[in-house]
Amino acid sequence: GNSVTQMEGPVTLSEEAFLTINCTYTATGYPSLFWYVQYPGEGLQLLLKATKADDKGSNKGFEATYRKETTSFHLEKGSVQVSDSAVYFCALMMNNNAGNMLTFGGGTRLMVKP
Amino acid sequence: DAGVTQSPTHLIKTRGQHVTLRCSPISGHKSVSWYQQVLGQGPQFIFQYYEKEERGRGNFPDRFSARQFPNYSSELNVNALLLGDSALYLCASSFWASGGGSTDTQYFGPGTRLTVL
Repeated sequence: GNSVTQMEGPVTLSEEAFLTINCTYTATGYPSLFWYVQYPGEGLQLLLKATKADDKGSNKGFEATYRKETTSFHLEKGSVQVSDSAVYFCALMMNNNAGNMLTFGGGTRLMVKP
Repeated sequence: DAGVTQSPTHLIKTRGQHVTLRCSPISGHKSVSWYQQVLGQGPQFIFQYYEKEERGRGNFPDRFSARQFPNYSSELNVNALLLGDSALYLCASSFWASGGGSTDTQYFGPGTRLTVL
């Protein structure tokens, strides 16, 4: 079956540090890939997405590139802020007639210190 | 535009009781999906509905059921509650057109926090 694996957290960084959160996937076929962010006590917010190999999704300074050869979709940001502290989820969606359910990774908590 | 709304925000039940959770999708969206998020884990898919028909079901027992109404809102029902049903229940809506082959982004509501005692 399909699955997503994320690096375990928490990831603790100082403000303005570089961020990488690793995400790899297993899928039968070619999924679309997503990063969602969850702030404390809230639902999930879409951060970025990529629908095919070599696509780069970007939003709010965050970027991730769909790498088919390594089945990866690592999240990066050049300079994190305290306000980026949250839990980040990588997810995949298969594009077919059977529905568009999301398969999520376990989440990575990011803590940014001033 | 209003986003996905869910009610209630919080709910406390006891084992063996029944619960109904409600979701209203973004205007124009015809598909609603339900996910269960246990504390410290990623969300797990429960159901997807499109045009009032079930289009997908995750690996959950028959105690879980759902339906979608003509206005595209949805209810998730859970019978015979167990302690392990305590979780954040998330609803997501999307504009999913049948025919397949297209990515359809799902937008999530704030969730309903269910505590089973």
